[in-house]
Amino acid sequence: DAEITQSPRHKITETGRQVTLACHQTWNHNNMFWYRQDLGHGLRLIHYSYGVQDTNKGEVSDGYSVSRSNTEDLPLTLESAASSQTSVYFCASSERGLAGGSEQFFGPGTRLTVL
Amino acid sequence: GEDVEQSLFLSVREGDSSVINCTYTDSSSTYLYWYKQEPGAGLQLLTYIFSNMDMKQDQRLTVLLNKKDKHLSLRIADTQTGDSAIYFCAVGSGNTGKLIFGQGTTLQVKP
Repeated sequence: DAEITQSPRHKITETGRQVTLACHQTWNHNNMFWYRQDLGHGLRLIHYSYGVQDTNKGEVSDGYSVSRSNTEDLPLTLESAASSQTSVYFCASSERGLAGGSEQFFGPGTRLTVL
Repeated sequence: GEDVEQSLFLSVREGDSSVINCTYTDSSSTYLYWYKQEPGAGLQLLTYIFSNMDMKQDQRLTVLLNKKDKHLSLRIADTQTGDSAIYFCAVGSGNTGKLIFGQGTTLQVKP
Protein backbone atom coordinates (compact mmCIF):
# COMPACT_ATOMS: atom_id res chain seq x y z
CA ASP A 1 0.00 0.00 0.00
CA ALA A 2 1.15 3.53 -0.73
CA GLU A 3 2.11 5.53 2.33
CA ILE A 4 3.94 8.55 3.68
CA THR A 5 6.58 8.08 6.36
CA GLN A 6 8.60 10.43 8.53
CA SER A 7 11.81 9.86 10.43
CA PRO A 8 12.82 10.14 13.12
CA ARG A 9 9.56 10.07 15.06
CA HIS A 10 11.19 11.76 18.05
CA LYS A 11 14.32 13.91 18.15
CA ILE A 12 16.05 15.86 20.90
CA THR A 13 18.77 18.28 19.85
CA GLU A 14 20.66 21.28 21.17
CA THR A 15 20.40 24.92 20.22
CA GLY A 16 22.56 25.77 17.23
CA ARG A 17 22.77 22.27 15.76
CA GLN A 18 21.66 21.45 12.23
CA VAL A 19 18.79 18.97 12.09
CA THR A 20 17.21 17.23 9.11
CA LEU A 21 13.77 15.61 9.24
CA ALA A 22 12.99 13.08 6.54
CA CYS A 23 9.73 12.64 4.64
CA HIS A 24 9.16 9.87 2.11
CA GLN A 25 5.97 9.14 0.15
CA THR A 26 5.15 6.29 -2.18
CA TRP A 27 1.95 7.84 -3.59
CA ASN A 28 3.93 9.35 -6.49
CA HIS A 29 2.36 12.69 -5.62
CA ASN A 30 3.76 15.87 -7.13
CA ASN A 31 2.82 18.13 -4.21
CA MET A 32 4.55 17.85 -0.84
CA PHE A 33 4.18 20.05 2.24
CA TRP A 34 5.79 20.58 5.63
CA TYR A 35 3.78 21.91 8.58
CA ARG A 36 4.44 22.55 12.21
CA GLN A 37 1.77 22.06 14.84
CA ASP A 38 1.78 24.15 18.00
CA LEU A 39 -0.90 24.54 20.66
CA GLY A 40 -3.30 27.33 19.74
CA HIS A 41 -1.94 27.71 16.20
CA GLY A 42 -3.24 24.66 14.39
CA LEU A 43 -1.03 23.68 11.47
CA ARG A 44 1.19 26.30 9.90
CA LEU A 45 2.82 25.81 6.53
CA ILE A 46 6.63 25.92 6.51
CA HIS A 47 7.63 25.00 2.93
CA TYR A 48 6.03 23.23 0.01
CA SER A 49 6.95 21.79 -3.35
CA TYR A 50 4.98 21.19 -6.55
CA GLY A 51 7.55 18.87 -8.08
CA VAL A 52 11.21 18.00 -8.51
CA GLN A 53 13.51 21.02 -8.15
CA ASP A 54 10.56 23.20 -7.06
CA THR A 55 10.41 24.66 -3.54
CA ASN A 56 8.33 27.48 -2.07
CA LYS A 57 8.18 29.31 1.25
CA GLY A 58 5.15 29.01 3.47
CA GLU A 59 4.02 31.35 6.22
CA VAL A 60 6.69 30.33 8.80
CA SER A 61 9.74 29.50 6.67
CA ASP A 62 12.45 31.46 8.55
CA GLY A 63 15.14 29.11 9.85
CA TYR A 64 14.02 26.19 7.65
CA SER A 65 14.97 24.94 4.21
CA VAL A 66 13.88 22.09 1.92
CA SER A 67 15.15 20.48 -1.26
CA ARG A 68 13.33 18.26 -3.77
CA SER A 69 15.71 16.09 -5.77
CA ASN A 70 13.17 13.34 -6.53
CA THR A 71 9.40 12.83 -6.39
CA GLU A 72 9.39 10.70 -3.23
CA ASP A 73 11.37 12.80 -0.73
CA LEU A 74 11.18 16.29 0.78
CA PRO A 75 13.67 16.61 3.67
CA LEU A 76 13.26 19.56 6.03
CA THR A 77 16.44 21.12 7.44
CA LEU A 78 16.70 23.38 10.46
CA GLU A 79 19.95 25.17 9.75
CA SER A 80 20.63 26.26 13.34
CA ALA A 81 18.01 24.88 15.71
CA ALA A 82 16.36 27.29 18.15
CA SER A 83 14.15 26.57 21.16
CA SER A 84 11.27 28.28 19.31
CA GLN A 85 11.44 25.42 16.79
CA THR A 86 10.40 22.85 19.40
CA SER A 87 7.22 21.51 17.84
CA VAL A 88 5.55 18.59 16.12
CA TYR A 89 6.32 18.51 12.40
CA PHE A 90 4.04 16.94 9.80
CA CYS A 91 4.75 16.14 6.21
CA ALA A 92 1.91 15.79 3.70
CA SER A 93 1.49 15.06 0.01
CA SER A 94 -1.25 15.48 -2.59
CA GLU A 95 -1.99 15.09 -6.29
CA ARG A 96 -1.32 18.01 -8.59
CA GLY A 97 -3.90 20.77 -8.53
CA LEU A 98 -7.54 20.28 -8.50
CA ALA A 99 -8.94 23.79 -8.42
CA GLY A 100 -9.04 25.04 -4.85
CA GLY A 101 -6.80 22.33 -3.50
CA SER A 102 -6.89 18.56 -3.11
CA GLU A 103 -6.83 16.00 -0.34
CA GLN A 104 -3.55 15.94 1.52
CA PHE A 105 -2.23 12.69 3.02
CA PHE A 106 -0.31 13.15 6.24
CA GLY A 107 2.64 11.39 7.78
CA PRO A 108 2.64 10.36 11.47
CA GLY A 109 4.67 13.38 12.59
CA THR A 110 8.07 14.06 14.15
CA ARG A 111 8.24 15.47 17.67
CA LEU A 112 11.30 17.74 17.86
CA THR A 113 12.65 19.15 21.11
CA VAL A 114 15.38 21.79 21.02
CA LEU A 115 17.15 22.24 24.36
CA GLY B 1 -4.42 36.68 4.12
CA GLU B 2 -6.80 33.79 4.36
CA ASP B 3 -8.00 32.86 7.81
CA VAL B 4 -9.88 29.89 9.23
CA GLU B 5 -11.38 30.03 12.71
CA GLN B 6 -12.71 27.28 14.96
CA SER B 7 -13.72 27.10 18.59
CA LEU B 8 -11.07 25.27 20.59
CA PHE B 9 -13.07 22.84 22.70
CA LEU B 10 -16.37 20.94 22.70
CA SER B 11 -17.60 18.46 25.30
CA VAL B 12 -20.60 16.15 24.72
CA ARG B 13 -22.08 13.04 26.27
CA GLU B 14 -21.89 9.70 24.50
CA GLY B 15 -24.91 9.23 22.25
CA ASP B 16 -25.50 12.97 21.77
CA SER B 17 -24.84 14.84 18.53
CA SER B 18 -21.71 16.99 18.21
CA VAL B 19 -21.55 20.09 16.05
CA ILE B 20 -18.18 21.62 15.26
CA ASN B 21 -18.18 25.00 13.56
CA CYS B 22 -15.72 26.75 11.29
CA THR B 23 -15.62 30.14 9.59
CA TYR B 24 -13.28 31.16 6.78
CA THR B 25 -12.43 34.24 4.76
CA ASP B 26 -11.28 32.95 1.34
CA SER B 27 -14.33 33.10 -0.93
CA SER B 28 -12.42 31.42 -3.78
CA SER B 29 -12.11 28.13 -1.86
CA THR B 30 -13.50 25.32 -3.98
CA TYR B 31 -12.96 22.41 -1.64
CA LEU B 32 -13.47 22.44 2.14
CA TYR B 33 -12.23 19.61 4.33
CA TRP B 34 -12.62 18.10 7.77
CA TYR B 35 -9.65 16.22 9.20
CA LYS B 36 -9.46 14.17 12.40
CA GLN B 37 -6.33 13.84 14.54
CA GLU B 38 -6.15 11.19 17.23
CA PRO B 39 -3.54 11.50 20.02
CA GLY B 40 0.01 11.00 18.78
CA ALA B 41 -1.05 10.54 15.17
CA GLY B 42 -1.16 12.48 11.93
CA LEU B 43 -4.28 13.95 10.36
CA GLN B 44 -6.76 11.77 8.53
CA LEU B 45 -9.34 13.07 6.09
CA LEU B 46 -12.87 12.56 7.41
CA THR B 47 -14.89 14.17 4.66
CA TYR B 48 -14.94 17.09 2.27
CA ILE B 49 -17.47 19.22 0.43
CA PHE B 50 -17.36 21.12 -2.84
CA SER B 51 -18.26 24.79 -2.65
CA ASN B 52 -21.22 24.30 -5.01
CA MET B 53 -22.90 22.02 -2.45
CA ASP B 54 -24.65 23.06 0.73
CA MET B 55 -24.83 19.68 2.44
CA LYS B 56 -23.09 16.34 2.34
CA GLN B 57 -23.98 13.28 4.43
CA ASP B 58 -21.69 10.32 5.02
CA GLN B 59 -23.00 7.80 7.56
CA ARG B 60 -22.88 9.57 10.97
CA LEU B 61 -21.26 12.69 9.50
CA THR B 62 -23.14 15.65 8.04
CA VAL B 63 -21.33 18.65 6.59
CA LEU B 64 -23.23 21.90 6.13
CA LEU B 65 -21.86 24.77 4.08
CA ASN B 66 -23.24 28.31 4.14
CA LYS B 67 -21.21 29.94 1.40
CA LYS B 68 -22.81 33.36 1.86
CA ASP B 69 -21.73 33.48 5.52
CA LYS B 70 -18.51 31.46 4.87
CA HIS B 71 -19.54 29.03 7.58
CA LEU B 72 -18.85 25.30 7.60
CA SER B 73 -20.04 22.82 10.20
CA LEU B 74 -19.50 19.15 10.94
CA ARG B 75 -22.22 17.24 12.75
CA ILE B 76 -21.44 13.84 14.25
CA ALA B 77 -24.56 11.87 15.12
CA ASP B 78 -24.61 9.40 18.03
CA THR B 79 -21.17 10.51 19.20
CA GLN B 80 -19.01 7.70 20.58
CA THR B 81 -15.98 7.77 22.90
CA GLY B 82 -13.89 6.76 19.88
CA ASP B 83 -14.80 10.11 18.30
CA SER B 84 -12.72 11.91 20.93
CA ALA B 85 -10.01 13.69 18.93
CA ILE B 86 -9.01 17.05 17.47
CA TYR B 87 -11.01 18.07 14.40
CA PHE B 88 -9.51 20.46 11.87
CA CYS B 89 -11.36 22.47 9.31
CA ALA B 90 -9.26 23.22 6.19
CA VAL B 91 -10.02 25.23 3.07
CA GLY B 92 -8.30 25.16 -0.29
CA SER B 93 -6.40 28.34 -1.09
CA GLY B 94 -7.37 29.38 -4.61
CA ASN B 95 -5.75 27.09 -7.20
CA THR B 96 -2.50 26.69 -5.29
CA GLY B 97 -3.07 23.19 -3.88
CA LYS B 98 -2.38 24.64 -0.43
CA LEU B 99 -4.72 24.20 2.49
CA ILE B 100 -5.34 26.72 5.25
CA PHE B 101 -6.12 25.02 8.56
CA GLY B 102 -8.11 26.20 11.54
CA GLN B 103 -6.68 25.87 15.04
CA GLY B 104 -8.51 22.61 15.64
CA THR B 105 -11.44 21.77 17.94
CA THR B 106 -10.80 19.25 20.70
CA LEU B 107 -13.88 17.03 21.06
CA GLN B 108 -14.27 15.38 24.44
CA VAL B 109 -16.88 12.62 24.66
CA LYS B 110 -17.99 11.72 28.18
CA PRO B 111 -19.41 8.24 28.83
